Amino acid sequence: EVQLLESGGGLVQPGGSLRLSCAVSRFTFNNYVMSWVRQAPGKGLEWVSAISGGGGITYYADSVKGRFTISRDNSKNTLYLQMNSLRAEDTAVYYCAKHKDLAVKSLFDYWGQGTLVTVSS
Amino acid sequence: QSALTQPRSVSGSPGQSVTISCTGTSSDVGDYNYVSWYQQHPGKAPKLMIYDVSKGPSGVPDRFSGSKSGNTASLTISGLQAEDEADYYCCSYAGSRWVFGGGTKLTVL
Repeated sequence: EVQLLESGGGLVQPGGSLRLSCAVSRFTFNNYVMSWVRQAPGKGLEWVSAISGGGGITYYADSVKGRFTISRDNSKNTLYLQMNSLRAEDTAVYYCAKHKDLAVKSLFDYWGQGTLVTVSS
Repeated sequence: QSALTQPRSVSGSPGQSVTISCTGTSSDVGDYNYVSWYQQHPGKAPKLMIYDVSKGPSGVPDRFSGSKSGNTASLTISGLQAEDEADYYCCSYAGSRWVFGGGTKLTVL
């Protein structure tokens, strides 16, 4: 069974930075688009960012563009999200998600368990 | 405000059927057959229930079905069971981004 395991969440002050990681296993990582999706406490799901299988194409939600950077290391089967200039409204559980097939347009079939990011002074 | 519009809540009795709608625009739901539905129980990660509008992943009961007409996608759950009580989210590709609905809380009476 596909596995995705996020780490790196925690408490950070407004304006601070944090890097999330997502270690994956049991599928050919470099074949698939990967995304980060977040969920603020008591709120709905919000897509944050996506990256192509080779890492050369990235996509961002307007709410994080210019502050967050998605990347991947296919040799380590790991996805990353570098989050800078964090704001209170970035507080959420962050999930990494695998896209279902090779098409960029495809949606998410497997999700990690999530890692909580809290932005507060 | 979410990009896709879902009812905040729906309810039904065991054995009944319920339908959850997901209304978007001609730039997302109406333009692509990349619509998925996710089930989320409290404190858990979302689980894929329907993909590509109407396809069911292996392991998901065929009581769950999806459809689309114009800018509106729908999830129908037939033969409601207690364990179906959860939040449900639709999601659509929208041209270099992906958009979710605000979520629908399903209560099994």
